[in-house]
Amino acid sequence: QVQLVESEGGVVQPGRSLRLSCAASGFTFSGFAMHWVRQAPGKGLEWVTVISYDGSTKYYADSVKGRFTISRDNSKNTLYLQMNSLRAEDTAVYYCARDRDYDILRAGEIDYWGQGTLVTVSS
Amino acid sequence: EIVMTQSPATLSVSPGERATLSCRASQSVSSSLAWYQQKPGQAPRLLIYGASTRATGIPARFSGSGSGTEFTLTISSLQSEDFAVYYCQQYNNWPPYTFGQGTKLEIK
Repeated sequence: QVQLVESEGGVVQPGRSLRLSCAASGFTFSGFAMHWVRQAPGKGLEWVTVISYDGSTKYYADSVKGRFTISRDNSKNTLYLQMNSLRAEDTAVYYCARDRDYDILRAGEIDYWGQGTLVTVSS
Repeated sequence: EIVMTQSPATLSVSPGERATLSCRASQSVSSSLAWYQQKPGQAPRLLIYGASTRATGIPARFSGSGSGTEFTLTISSLQSEDFAVYYCQQYNNWPPYTFGQGTKLEIK
């Protein structure tokens, strides 16, 4: 069965960095586009970023562009999110999620989600 | 950016009754619309994609309809496990993919 397991988040000071990882199993990881979606405490869902099946194409929400970087290692079945210059408003549960398609141009249907990991940005 | 607006914010329905949730897009998203269910402390679950196609394993009591700017999620006969928050999401004009603010379906 499809499993997506995020690394532990934690408390980070404003301006600092944190890297999240997501270990995928139960499917051919290299055959799917992947997303990060976040949810601030008590709030709705916010899409963060998407990466194509081969890592060649990436898109970001304006709120994180220039600060966050998505990447993947298909040899390790792992997705990453490097978060730099963190702000209080980045505090959220971060979900790793799989798209139904490999083609990023047809992406957007998110069919499997990890359990999420809480990142708290606070001094 | 396309803004997705869901209504109502909270819907109170009795078990066994029908629930109808609405989602409106600020501009046409064609049929590129998905619905997700989220229970407290859990990740979202894909229910519907392409506005009307049920995802794998989703019971037939869930149905989606609409196109363009107006969409509906209908749950024909509410079961206890259906009480949750529901989100719509467009993927026609992106980035960004955008979600509605959610509708909380609660027991009446």
